[in-house]
Amino acid sequence: SQQGEEDPQALSIQEGENATMNCSYKTSINNLQWYRQNSGRGLVHLILIRSNEREKHSGRLRVTLDTSKKSSSLLITASRAADTASYFCAGRGNTGKLIFGQGTTLQVKP
Amino acid sequence: ETGVTQTPRHLVMGMTNKKSLKCEQHLGHNAMYWYKQSAKKPLELMFVYSLEERVENNSVPSRFSPECPNSSHLFLHLHTLQPEDSALYLCASSQDRTDFGEQYFGPGTRLTVT
Repeated sequence: SQQGEEDPQALSIQEGENATMNCSYKTSINNLQWYRQNSGRGLVHLILIRSNEREKHSGRLRVTLDTSKKSSSLLITASRAADTASYFCAGRGNTGKLIFGQGTTLQVKP
Repeated sequence: ETGVTQTPRHLVMGMTNKKSLKCEQHLGHNAMYWYKQSAKKPLELMFVYSLEERVENNSVPSRFSPECPNSSHLFLHLHTLQPEDSALYLCASSQDRTDFGEQYFGPGTRLTVT
């Protein structure tokens, strides 16, 4: 079963604007992770939020988690052209398995 | 990315060929993973190895055969593939299979089956 479903599938913004991506999941999680992937390359871990946390910050990234709604959001503030990439959420279940969503493709125009 | 390396980066093979993908991690991790990433689909977990033992096989066709000779190396042997097997194959590692932390990914092998 698919753990994460991202919304929107594609997002295009101007440099300097904020970008918000949402993720919904279906089953219980131990934590939820966000990854970034530049075109045709491997995934890079961005941030992890545990099931007992509601919000977490890392630099220009802000992640929220609402376990009652089984949803999470990733906010990138003051976006840069270099933020252009695909972003994936992944739920870590209690078995340790990491299940990924389809991702949001973000384009930041200079 | 240099913590997990994958070779080759690109591979084109015919349906009757046999080839192998290689993954190496330099992080001292105990768990390694193979994922398949196809266009417009979520990452699919194929195999999980923990301490060189295969602990998970997610209904992957037998034309994909993994091998983990030691905790630092992981191979994916390919034979008689189909065009629908064309995808980006990603290797990842983590400290342990059940440590709930992040996974570290290699750059992937872009496989095209002709």
